[in-house]
Amino acid sequence: DAMVIQNPRYQVTQFGKPVTLSCSQTLNHNVMYWYQQKSSQAPKLLFHYYDKDFNNEADTPDNFQSRRPNTSFCFLDIRSPGLGDAAMYLCATSRDWLGPEKLFFGSGTQLSVL
Amino acid sequence: AQSVTQLGSHVSVSEGALVLLRCNYSSSVPPYLFWYVQYPNQGLQLLLKYTSAATLVKGINGFEAEFKKSETSFHLTKPSAHMSDAAEYFCAVSSWRGSASKIIFGSGTRLSIRP
Repeated sequence: DAMVIQNPRYQVTQFGKPVTLSCSQTLNHNVMYWYQQKSSQAPKLLFHYYDKDFNNEADTPDNFQSRRPNTSFCFLDIRSPGLGDAAMYLCATSRDWLGPEKLFFGSGTQLSVL
Repeated sequence: AQSVTQLGSHVSVSEGALVLLRCNYSSSVPPYLFWYVQYPNQGLQLLLKYTSAATLVKGINGFEAEFKKSETSFHLTKPSAHMSDAAEYFCAVSSWRGSASKIIFGSGTRLSIRP
């Protein structure tokens, strides 16, 4: 089945130690998103790619970066994780940019910062 | 600006009872409305969406929602709750504004099912 796959499922890192989360998709969708979701809260959009065009949300900290080397893969880099960055990170895709488009989510990576 | 308000962060119903999860939206342009469900330790999956074709929208797992413009509401219902319905439910709104489009999620409602 076509899907959105996130690895790893759980990630533990140390305070200040760079960490990379990965996402791959077999849907051949144009748009890929990264969301941060803290416990009992709504997902918060960090940034998205429309094809190769990168779009950062205004309130996304500089500590968060992203790469999309090809259509299928997208990475989230956290340069210096702080305790406040512990959260579930969700990757999502859509065929086109928002409007009526359905988002397809991966199962998420739960990040812990020690 | 768009916004979504979900009334009740936690709803508990008995198995077999009616499920009603409330969502009100605000949008200055015709909205697209969604309900997503999130099971523990998983990503979100689409239950149903409203795109102006019909005001009563049927989704997966027996859920449906009705778009009421006069009440700016898009409440989610299911006639008979099942234990497997226990999850977090998110209402969301978006609109077609080209590159300025946003999808705004509500804060979520946790649905618990009592045996």
